[in-house]
This record gives sequence, structure tokens and C-alpha cells, in this order.
Amino acid sequence: EAGVTQFPSHSVIEKGQTVTLRCDPISGHDNLYWYRRVMGKEIKFLLHFVKESKQDESGMPNNRFLAERTGGTYSTLKVQPAELEDSGVYFCASSPARNYEQYFGPGTRLTVT
Amino acid sequence: GENVEQHPSTLSVQEGDSAVIKCTYSDSASNYFPWYKQELGKRPQLIIDIRSNVGEKKDQRIAVTLNKTAKHFSLHITETQPEDSAVYFCAASHTGGFKTIFGAGTRLFVKA
Repeated sequence: EAGVTQFPSHSVIEKGQTVTLRCDPISGHDNLYWYRRVMGKEIKFLLHFVKESKQDESGMPNNRFLAERTGGTYSTLKVQPAELEDSGVYFCASSPARNYEQYFGPGTRLTVT
Repeated sequence: GENVEQHPSTLSVQEGDSAVIKCTYSDSASNYFPWYKQELGKRPQLIIDIRSNVGEKKDQRIAVTLNKTAKHFSLHITETQPEDSAVYFCAASHTGGFKTIFGAGTRLFVKA
């Protein structure tokens, strides 16, 4: 069984540009999460999808961040326009149920210069 | 808002010694407490979890204890080995919610 995959693995963009991150969860997992980790800090919750519906997006920093999960399969997280403080590692995770083990992707390291 | 505090941020032990990492959560509704291990350059992976209906769970050299009254849970690793070196994250969530709150992580070094 394939694990959670994320693309790209690294992205370096300039302030003001747009970046789109993609996450492919484990097939059959309805629950999909996005997180961000800034160096040395916690894995910060961004949002949670159940199928195609956003159930909790209270962790999204501001309206420059837009997450979608059309069709309830893969998800994208767009940052537009990017700011310096958006730098960090963005993790995606999926699980078959809430309150259950989450399977993480390898992360996307985003650097905004 | 909800938060999870994790201590220590860094822990260095000699091979064969025990390691203990402690977490405190704020949301009294929390009832699921997983621990994830992230080795260098790899993704976080679940190593053990505990639900609020039990006070302790053990899996070989790893154990987790939960004190619901104090809103405190701990990870215990016995007979540590160099391959235990990694960053460990605690987390908390609850059945009625959709958010998982993670601690800041503990970087464990096991010296051979």
C-alpha cells in the first residue's frame, strides 16, 4: 500500500509569489490534515478535511492560504502571495477515522526569500 | 485556545538508560493521546497511543502513562538504544473535534 505522498519536496520562492502544494493521501482515507512546522516549534494544525468538506480550518493563518480537496481525493494548499513568515515544512497526513493514528507524508519544505 | 506543552525540548541520555518525556494538555475534552517519532529526514510516525479510558499502555521498551486529573501524559523509553535518537512529538485530540494539537517536540540523543 502506498503511503501519503507530497509534492514538491522542496520549494524556494520569492516573497509575493504563489506556491501550490499537493498531498495525495492513502487511498480510502476520508480524513486529511494539513500541518506546518517552523524550525524548532510544534507541528501546528492548519486544517482538517473529511472527504471534500473542510471540518476545521481554524489553524489557517490568514486568507493568503487556500486549501481544497475536490472530489475527496488529493488536496492542494495554495499560498498567495507568499510572505517570509510562511517558510517552514508543510506536512499532510491522512487517517481512516478521526481520533485515530495519522499517517504523515514526507513534507514539503517551503522557503520564501 | 487549546495547547499542549512538552518538556524537555532536548534530552541526552547514555545508551541503556531510560528517557522520560512529559506533556500537559489544556482541553479537558481530550481523550486521545498519540506519540510520534520523527527521525532525521523522515516523516513523523506513530509509536504508541493511549485513550482516556486507560491509565497506562506498554509496547516492549515504550510505555505511556496518562493522568486525566492533572491533564498530564508521559512517554517512557527504557533501555535506550542509539536508534531511539529522534524528535518525539506528543499530541492530543478528542472525539467531538477535528483538530489535533501537537507539542513542540523533544529531541532525544542516545549516546553509545
